[in-house]
Amino acid sequence: NAGVTQTPKFQVLKTGQSMTLQCAQDMNHEYMSWYRQDPGMGLRLIHYSVGAGITDQGEVPNGYNVSRSTTEDFPLRLLSAAPSQTSVYFCARSRQGLGTTEAFFGQGTRLTVV
Amino acid sequence: QQQVKQSPQSLIVQKGGISIINCAYENTAFDYFPWYQQFPGKGPALLIAIRPDVSEKKEGRFTISFNKSAKQFSLHIMDSQPGDSATYFCAASPNSGGSNYKLTFGKGTLLTVNP
Repeated sequence: NAGVTQTPKFQVLKTGQSMTLQCAQDMNHEYMSWYRQDPGMGLRLIHYSVGAGITDQGEVPNGYNVSRSTTEDFPLRLLSAAPSQTSVYFCARSRQGLGTTEAFFGQGTRLTVV
Repeated sequence: QQQVKQSPQSLIVQKGGISIINCAYENTAFDYFPWYQQFPGKGPALLIAIRPDVSEKKEGRFTISFNKSAKQFSLHIMDSQPGDSATYFCAASPNSGGSNYKLTFGKGTLLTVNP
């Protein structure tokens, strides 16, 4: 799992329900990100964090909230799910360093909103 | 605005052939260009990456060619194998403290290698 654990693996929500997608890393990396993957769209950045207590918006942040209270955990919250949020969500970690540092992705959470 | 354009959407190659996937970018702040490989039901995994100070990088059967003036880069898979069948994504990231947590992805290429 590349040191990134995402739970749950599958989830079905009704429109308007809320839920939290969990992401945990065991490598003590500073940076964590959330992406969504839709057919024919590649992966798009939702939110990211450069360290505990610091988060920022990516390309498609609307409808999602994040927090980073610890280095290990970076949960993604859907406050009121919409069918447009049906997607596969990936969490990634990477470390701060000189030169190139690789982003490691989790196995993904497949979310369906009906 | 699509900042990284990838082509083709799908590609069918015979075993032993060469697979070529192309990407073009617009943002001149990008300075890290990775390629990711994704198998069904799995997360993307880094295949190979390049920085713009070199024009080519080779790792085994995989080669990235980079043209900074044209803002284009491509992935070449030599001696393609059925096990290479997967979706390939190019991506780009700005120089952000040496990391790449702000990746912009292309839309992906589904590669099928026939035996």
